[in-house]
Amino acid sequence: GAGVSQSPRYKVTKRGQDVALRCDPISGHVSLYWYRQALGQGPEFLTYFNYEAQQDKSGLPNDRFSAERPEGSISTLTIQRTEQRDSAMYRCASSLGLGGLDQPQHFGDGTRLSIL
Amino acid sequence: DAKTTQPTSMDCAEGRAANLPCNHSTISGNEYVYWYRQIHSQGPQYIIHGLKNNETNEMASLIITEDRKSSTLILPHATLRDTAVYYCIVTSGGTSYGKLTFGQGTILTVHP
Repeated sequence: GAGVSQSPRYKVTKRGQDVALRCDPISGHVSLYWYRQALGQGPEFLTYFNYEAQQDKSGLPNDRFSAERPEGSISTLTIQRTEQRDSAMYRCASSLGLGGLDQPQHFGDGTRLSIL
Repeated sequence: DAKTTQPTSMDCAEGRAANLPCNHSTISGNEYVYWYRQIHSQGPQYIIHGLKNNETNEMASLIITEDRKSSTLILPHATLRDTAVYYCIVTSGGTSYGKLTFGQGTILTVHP
């Protein structure tokens, strides 16, 4: 079956522009997670949703970052007024259950964001 | 969050079993041990998880010590395609239910 799909795969934009990254989870998966991964590091948690409700946004670096999942399926991570330090791989994951401890997360291939 | 400690790197000969250790001495009673791996720039791939019993699936086996303070991921017959970074993660509870905290992981190199 289809896995987690992220788009675009690559995004290059100028500093100061807004960007929107899309995640389409595995069909039927209730929980959706966003992570950010710097080169040579493991992914770092940003935020997560159960259905359309944002449960934890403690990992969002600042108020330029926001995420939504209005219909409980596709999610968008938005970065406003991008800065060079925002350059990274942004990864989305989904899991079948309600963010439970016994539910594996399945990751997409990510969006590589480069800020010039 | 319970922290994990893994060796920075390991080598394994192709066809041999790869045994990757992980220490998680501060794990609490309801926390699971998860293993993921990441090959090149691909997304992390789920391998296996467990609470206190040993687990086996088509990819690997997970051995958790009785006191739950450490575990070992076993790839029974390593292939070159198993070369990757392997992450041992203890899932946190509370308000960050299910959040994964990745450490540095173990770089496993499988050689011919």
